[in-house]
Amino acid sequence: KNEVEQSPQNLTAQEGEFITINCSYSVGISALHWLQQHPGGGIVSLFMLSSGKKKHGRLIATINIQEKHSSLHITASHPRDSAVYICAVYNFNKFYFGSGTKLNVKP
Amino acid sequence: DAGITQSPRHKVTETGTPVTLRCHQTENHRYMYWYRQDPGHGLRLIHYSYGVKDTDKGEVSDGYSVSRSKTEDFLLTLESATSSQTSVYFCAISDWWVGRTPYEQYFGPGTRLTVT
Repeated sequence: KNEVEQSPQNLTAQEGEFITINCSYSVGISALHWLQQHPGGGIVSLFMLSSGKKKHGRLIATINIQEKHSSLHITASHPRDSAVYICAVYNFNKFYFGSGTKLNVKP
Repeated sequence: DAGITQSPRHKVTETGTPVTLRCHQTENHRYMYWYRQDPGHGLRLIHYSYGVKDTDKGEVSDGYSVSRSKTEDFLLTLESATSSQTSVYFCAISDWWVGRTPYEQYFGPGTRLTVT
């Protein structure tokens, strides 16, 4: 049983395309975390949100608590956005992670 | 960037030997976590700590122990390493207080452990 499901698992896009990555969860949560991991690299925090929407540059994250669903959008995608995007939910001192979405943006 | 370091960054060891990984933070965060990352599994929690000498198990704690004798250091020990413990290990820290994003985690650079 996986508390956090991400889709798609793999995504290939052309530079400039609008990208959406989805995250659904089955547990009650206090907050949801989007993370980015470049190949061979460390894990970087993108957003932490508990309601509504947040925007940072070309990245937008939304969450619907009632539907237990979050989306990460990337506008005007660029090859440097190629990475694994990870969704994690926070519940009672612990984070539960999705298995990640591998994004490849082609020039 | 949050001040988190992990040591060693790479280690090769033989089956049956004890191994200790160290996570060190300079942020004075209360919560510290040890995860392992394996292909097809994502990040899985091994153990976590919510204060000095306060620790709890995660979903994959068998074969691992931890200790936290001071706020800045969280040690992960493999008592007798097995090949199934070959993985990349990440430490993370978290905390919340007024004015900061609650519960956000910051990750260390990772330790690549190979058990032969």
